[in-house]
Amino acid sequence: GENVEQHPSTLSVQEGDSAVIKCTYSDSASNYFPWYKQELGKRPQLIIDIRSNVGEKKDQRIAVTLNKTAKHFSLHITETQPEDSAVYFCAASIRWDSGAGSYQLTFGKGTKLSVIP
Amino acid sequence: GAVVSQHPSWVICKSGTSVKIECRSLDFQATTMFWYRQFPKQSLMLMATSNEGSKATYEQGVEKDKFLINHASLTLSTLTVTSAHPEDSSFYICSAVKPGQGGNQPQHFGDGTRLSIL
Repeated sequence: GENVEQHPSTLSVQEGDSAVIKCTYSDSASNYFPWYKQELGKRPQLIIDIRSNVGEKKDQRIAVTLNKTAKHFSLHITETQPEDSAVYFCAASIRWDSGAGSYQLTFGKGTKLSVIP
Repeated sequence: GAVVSQHPSWVICKSGTSVKIECRSLDFQATTMFWYRQFPKQSLMLMATSNEGSKATYEQGVEKDKFLINHASLTLSTLTVTSAHPEDSSFYICSAVKPGQGGNQPQHFGDGTRLSIL
């Protein structure tokens, strides 16, 4: 089955600096890679995703890159702000659920990001 | 919007008790809901896929008789942990998929249920 490794487990950055979180996956058949942000005591929220036919995607201060050959993808947050502090999870698709019209996912262990004012 | 409500948020009970957790899609109908389990500082592990009107599909290693899933309506799926023991203590979280046209539809998560078995 799919195995997703996520690094680092914790990350502290100064406000305004960039943060990078990296994930690797094992199943070359995976083709959908979302990133979720979970603030303390709150539910995971989808912040950005990328499909296998795209190498990079950007949404304001957040970007994701994908290297299918190496089977790794990364989350980049620029100009970090204190409100970016949270746990971030990467995920890779396991299989397509036709009934749901959605991918089943396997998640990384998460990265706790702390942005120091 | 796509709001998913999960109840209860926290349960503490004695060993041997059965515990039911509800997952509701409040403003949309969800034909599919997913149930996850998360240990401290670990990732979300997919336990099962819950489909309205049919049997749930369990991931390898998940005991279907231990974790009963019922998806009786388009807005409600329940997970019952039967005869719970301390090793079942964990954070359980559901997600629901809002139907859409074309392509992949994202999962919307509930707030999770923290289960502690004494």
